[in-house]
Amino acid sequence: GNSVTQMEGPVTLSEEAFLTINCTYTATGYPSLFWYVQYPGEGLQLLLKATKADDKGSNKGFEATYRKETTSFHLEKGSVQVSDSAVYFCALSRGGSEKLVFGKGMKLTVNP
Amino acid sequence: DAGVIQSPRHEVTEMGQEVTLRCKPISGHNSLFWYRQTMMRGLELLIYFNNNVPIDDSGMPEDRFSAKMPNASFSTLKIQPSEPRDSAVYFCASSLQDRDTQYFGPGTRLTVL
Repeated sequence: GNSVTQMEGPVTLSEEAFLTINCTYTATGYPSLFWYVQYPGEGLQLLLKATKADDKGSNKGFEATYRKETTSFHLEKGSVQVSDSAVYFCALSRGGSEKLVFGKGMKLTVNP
Repeated sequence: DAGVIQSPRHEVTEMGQEVTLRCKPISGHNSLFWYRQTMMRGLELLIYFNNNVPIDDSGMPEDRFSAKMPNASFSTLKIQPSEPRDSAVYFCASSLQDRDTQYFGPGTRLTVL
């Protein structure tokens, strides 16, 4: 079946550090890939997505590239801020109204 | 535009009581999803609807849980009777059918004593 494996953390970084959160997936066909972010006390919100191989999603300084050959969708940011402290979820969908399959989430804390 | 609305935001109840969680999806969205989040199990999909029809309820933990969507603008998740292990944050999300981005509500934090 479809599944997502991601770094679980927790991870603590200093402000302006480089961030990478690894995410790999198993799926039949050509899924869409997502990163969702959950700030403390809030629901999940879409951070970025990519719908086909070699697409790059980007938002708020975060980037992730859909790599079909390595079945990966790693999240990166060159310089994290305290406000990036949150839980990050990698997810996939077969598309349309198919359900999302989430990874377990990774808690990131950024210290000043 | 209003996002997904959930009520109540917090619910504290005693074991054995009935609990009803409510969700209003974004207007025009025709897919609705109920999730449960706990530290131990992470984020789990409980059930989802397309055009008010339940499509997949395989994530519903047991018969104590039931969900309805009587119309396009309202859904409920009911737990009867509630147990302490049901304590979690319950999220509702909605999307446009044939679009894969889901929009989440703020969640209901349920505590069963």
